[in-house]
Amino acid sequence: EVQLLESGGGLVQPGGSLILSCAASGFSFATSDMTWVRQAPGKGLEWVSGISGRDDRTFYIDSVKGRFTVSRDNSKNTLYLHMKSLRAEDTATYYCAKDLTQYVHWGQGTLVTVSS
Amino acid sequence: EIVMTQSPATLSVSPGERATLSCRASRSISTNLVWFQQKPGQAPRLLIYGASTRASGVPARFSGSWSGTEFTLTISSLQSEDFAVYYCQQYLDRPPFTFGQGTKLEI
Repeated sequence: EVQLLESGGGLVQPGGSLILSCAASGFSFATSDMTWVRQAPGKGLEWVSGISGRDDRTFYIDSVKGRFTVSRDNSKNTLYLHMKSLRAEDTATYYCAKDLTQYVHWGQGTLVTVSS
Repeated sequence: EIVMTQSPATLSVSPGERATLSCRASRSISTNLVWFQQKPGQAPRLLIYGASTRASGVPARFSGSWSGTEFTLTISSLQSEDFAVYYCQQYLDRPPFTFGQGTKLEI
């Protein structure tokens, strides 16, 4: 059974940093594409970042380029999202999902709140 | 960036009725479109991929169709468990793969 478990969310001040993790199990993580999607409170879904399983190529939306970095540790079956220079508008629940498209498997999400 | 526009923002229908949700792409995306259902406090659930193929376990009352850049999700006879928010997402070529803003289906 595919399982994805996010962690690392919390309250952070504007300008601060946070690292989100997504622990994966039940599939071949090392060869899988992975995605981060976020959802601000009461708002819609927003695609944030992705990483290829084939060549570790990374992708980002413009609003997080230079501030967020997606990475993976295949030895730990874990996906990461390193976030810095956080802004109030980054406040959201962050979900990891398996694959770059057609996400069948999602985590339960982790809430990031950027506030002073 | 491809912009996805969903309409209406909110759709009020009764159980047993038919619901039609729309999603328009700002340019051609072929059939590179998915539909998700999201209920409060839950992660989204994949319903349709390739614009018209139902994902595993999705009831036959859900169907997807398209014409050019206009995509439609139809729920033929609404059940109580279908009241949720529905999102479309395009996945043409490379990321970012943009979502529509969602349609809330309510009683």
